[in-house]
Amino acid sequence: EDQVTQSPEALRLQEGESSSLNCSYTVSGLRGLFWYRQDPGKGPEFLFTLYSAGEEKEKERLKATLTKKESFLHITAPKPEDSATYLCAVLKGGNQFYFGTGTSLTVIP
Amino acid sequence: GAVVSQHPSRVICKSGTSVKIECRSLDFQATTMFWYRQFPKQSLMLMATSNEGSKATYEQGVEKDKFLINHASLTLSTLTVTSAHPEDSSFYICSARGGSGNTIYFGEGSWLTVV
Repeated sequence: EDQVTQSPEALRLQEGESSSLNCSYTVSGLRGLFWYRQDPGKGPEFLFTLYSAGEEKEKERLKATLTKKESFLHITAPKPEDSATYLCAVLKGGNQFYFGTGTSLTVIP
Repeated sequence: GAVVSQHPSRVICKSGTSVKIECRSLDFQATTMFWYRQFPKQSLMLMATSNEGSKATYEQGVEKDKFLINHASLTLSTLTVTSAHPEDSSFYICSARGGSGNTIYFGEGSWLTVV
C-alpha cells in the first residue's frame, strides 16, 4: 500500500538546537518528493523538490535529503520563526500525490 | 517563484446558499489542479483532481454534486460548494501543478463558514 509517514508528530526545540524531521514512504514509482511549510490558517508554502536518491537541497537553515525509502529535513540552529508544520508529499506516476500528516515544530526562544 | 492565488480568503454564507472559490495560477500554466479540505490540526484531505478541459476526478466519499469543480482554463479552476450546510465549514486549499519540474504549488487557502 502506498503510504507516507512523518515523524515525529510534534517536536519542540530550543532556539539553536539542530534536529531532523523524517518522512518515510512506501510509494513505488516515485516521481518526486516535496517538502512544504504550513503556518496556521495558511496554505502550504513550497520548500523543496527532490527527485532521486542521494539528492540534497538547501535553503537557509533547512536542508533536505533523499534516500530510496525516506527523506530528512534537517534544521540547523533553528529560530522561533521556523515554528510551523512541515509537510512532505510524494508524487507517483500521473497525478497520484500522497501527503504525510506533518510534523509540528515549535522553536522556543 | 510560482504563485497560486485563491479568492476569497474568507467567506461567510447562509445555509442553503452556494459559494464559489477561485484558484488561479498567476505565472504558469497549470496542467492539473487539486482541491483539498483541511480540518484543524489535521493534514490535507484531497477532494478532487482536475485537468483543464475535462471533468474532475473525485476522491471516494466526496459528493460530486455538492462540490462542483470547473477547470475552465490552464490558469483557473473553481470550486463551488452548493447548498452549503454548517458541516461544510472548513479550510479549502487548492494547488496547481506546472511550471519548472512539475512542482505543485499551493494557494493561500479559503476559510468557509456556513451559518
